[in-house]
Amino acid sequence: QVQLQQSGPGLVKPSGTLSLTCLVSGASITSSDWWIWIRQSPGKGLEWIAEINDSGSTYYNPSLKSRASLSLQKSKKQFYLTLSSVTAADTAVYFCARRFQWLAFDVWGQGILVTVSS
Amino acid sequence: DMQLTQSPSILSAFVGDRVTIACRASQRIDDWLAWYQQKPGKAPKLLIYKASHLQSGVPSRFSGSGFGTEFTLTIAGLQPDDFATYYCQQWNGYLTTFGQGTKLEIK
Repeated sequence: QVQLQQSGPGLVKPSGTLSLTCLVSGASITSSDWWIWIRQSPGKGLEWIAEINDSGSTYYNPSLKSRASLSLQKSKKQFYLTLSSVTAADTAVYFCARRFQWLAFDVWGQGILVTVSS
Repeated sequence: DMQLTQSPSILSAFVGDRVTIACRASQRIDDWLAWYQQKPGKAPKLLIYKASHLQSGVPSRFSGSGFGTEFTLTIAGLQPDDFATYYCQQWNGYLTTFGQGTKLEIK
């Protein structure tokens, strides 16, 4: 059974950098899957941030204006999100997820609330 | 830009009712659409993928249909556990988009 476990700080200062980790268990990071970050602002809907595959290919949401960066370490079965120059508008619950062959997200992390505040 | 528009935004229903949620895409996406259920404080749960395929473990009272730009999620015989927020989602080759959500409330 594939599981995703997220970790990272819950508080980031304005203009700082948000860094989150997602650990994959129960499966390897393979070529058939993409690994995703999604966020949800308080009381709002879901916003796709970016995704990465096992070769390091990435797609990003243009609305984040190059502030987001994804990477992964297959040997550690981890993938990462960094979001730079954060503001209060980046306060959200951040989820990692897997996009499988049918282009849907079948496995999700538990979510982490990240608050941007001084 | 690709957009997904869900209707209604809020839906009130009784236990046992049959309800339908619509999702309209601004561009044709064949059948590459998924549906999720989200409860407060939890991650979304995949219900339907490729417009009509039921994800493993999801009750058969959930069904999806549609192709191109018009899609629907139907729940036949609402159970108390079904009251939640539902989202549609698509991937068009380089971007993922979610609908704005439909909150299903108990009447």
